[in-house]
Amino acid sequence: GQNIDQPTEMTATEGAIVQINCTYQTSGFNGLFWYQQHAGEAPTFLSYNVLDGLEEKGRFSSFLSRSKGYSYLLLKELQMKDSASYLCAGRDSNYQLIWGAGTKLIIKP
Amino acid sequence: IAGITQAPTSQILAAGRRMTLRCTQDMRHNAMYWYRQDLGLGLRLIHYSNTAGTTGKGEVPDGYSVSRANTDDFPLTLASAVPSQTSVYFCASSETGEVSEQFFGPGTRLTVL
Repeated sequence: GQNIDQPTEMTATEGAIVQINCTYQTSGFNGLFWYQQHAGEAPTFLSYNVLDGLEEKGRFSSFLSRSKGYSYLLLKELQMKDSASYLCAGRDSNYQLIWGAGTKLIIKP
Repeated sequence: IAGITQAPTSQILAAGRRMTLRCTQDMRHNAMYWYRQDLGLGLRLIHYSNTAGTTGKGEVPDGYSVSRANTDDFPLTLASAVPSQTSVYFCASSETGEVSEQFFGPGTRLTVL
């Protein structure tokens, strides 16, 4: 079966670094996406990995290991506005996205 | 540029009623999608369309139908609503079905009583 696992909730301090992990099992693999979703809003695209390694985009970085079926999203210099849910999604052989339930990130001052 | 719009923003519906959720995009994207999002679950794909004139079933298509008469519009119809269809519905689009990221509309919160 296809499955995406990520922690339900994490708490971090403003200004710190947090890593959100995601493990995936998909039928075939055509990339791993991270989206951000603020409460009551639509998901917005953060990053995409299809090859192993780290992709850096400002304060956010995403890592992929295809052999381990593992990805993480790294958020640096946390700001209060980073309080949101972070959704991991793997794209399968049919190019459909399989979504995790999301990790709710709580930032404390 | 609006991106993707959805209507209505929210709706309370009696069970057994028919309901159409509207979705329009102005980005000339080929692919469009309908998802439902329920608490504690990931987004689940209901139906998709890789290009105008074609549609496909996603993970949870039962009780829903779609049409794609043109590039811009992708309505989702609940023929006879049931309480288990209470959810937040998101429409999304992407340039193609294969390559690019998906852009989401603001969502429709539907309650079926």
